[in-house]
Amino acid sequence: DAKTTQPTSMDCAEGRAANLPCNHSTISGNEYVYWYRQIHSQGPQYIIHGLKNNETNEMASLIITEDRKSSTLILPHATLRDTAVYYCIVTDSWGKLQFGAGTQVVVTP
Amino acid sequence: GAVVSQHPSWVICKSGTSVKIECRSLDFQATTMFWYRQFPKQSLMLMATSNEGSKATYEQGVEKDKFLINHASLTLSTLTVTSAHPEDSSFYICSAPPAGYEQYFGPGTRLTVT
Repeated sequence: DAKTTQPTSMDCAEGRAANLPCNHSTISGNEYVYWYRQIHSQGPQYIIHGLKNNETNEMASLIITEDRKSSTLILPHATLRDTAVYYCIVTDSWGKLQFGAGTQVVVTP
Repeated sequence: GAVVSQHPSWVICKSGTSVKIECRSLDFQATTMFWYRQFPKQSLMLMATSNEGSKATYEQGVEKDKFLINHASLTLSTLTVTSAHPEDSSFYICSAPPAGYEQYFGPGTRLTVT
């Protein structure tokens, strides 16, 4: 039983913001929202995580709705190197990561 | 940022032989590491949690006698695929959490069993 729901794929224009949605309607109070991405044939890369407040780092911003049932990962200026599968994962702070199918993001020139 | 390495990056072995894959945390200590397996065009599947100084815990459906995990030090965990068969061919990836929140992943090891 998947804890998160993401679109299968998304296309994004280079230089534009990419907004990746994720639904996690059964999230518990102590569970965090994590985002990772995997570029083809590489190990996944950590992007960002949050509990209930919006977060921003050098890679992305994470917007979590007030009821915490959904979130959006924002890549502010997509580049070709951002083409990857993006995974939204819900888990507690020391929890194991259970990967779903993720969203295949393709950034085009 | 934290760095996790894996060795080898790829390996080909014959059916029936055993293969050992190493996962190292290069600039931090990891009491816990995780092992994943990924088949082509599929997502990562968590196989087991490797605990330094104690037995690994395996996910449901993963054969602990086939996938031997040893976490002998705070920077090294090994996964041994015993009596490998072609269906064990996969991409094996490890991860470790430096500070308990985000995890850092190794580059993966591609195993091909002929």
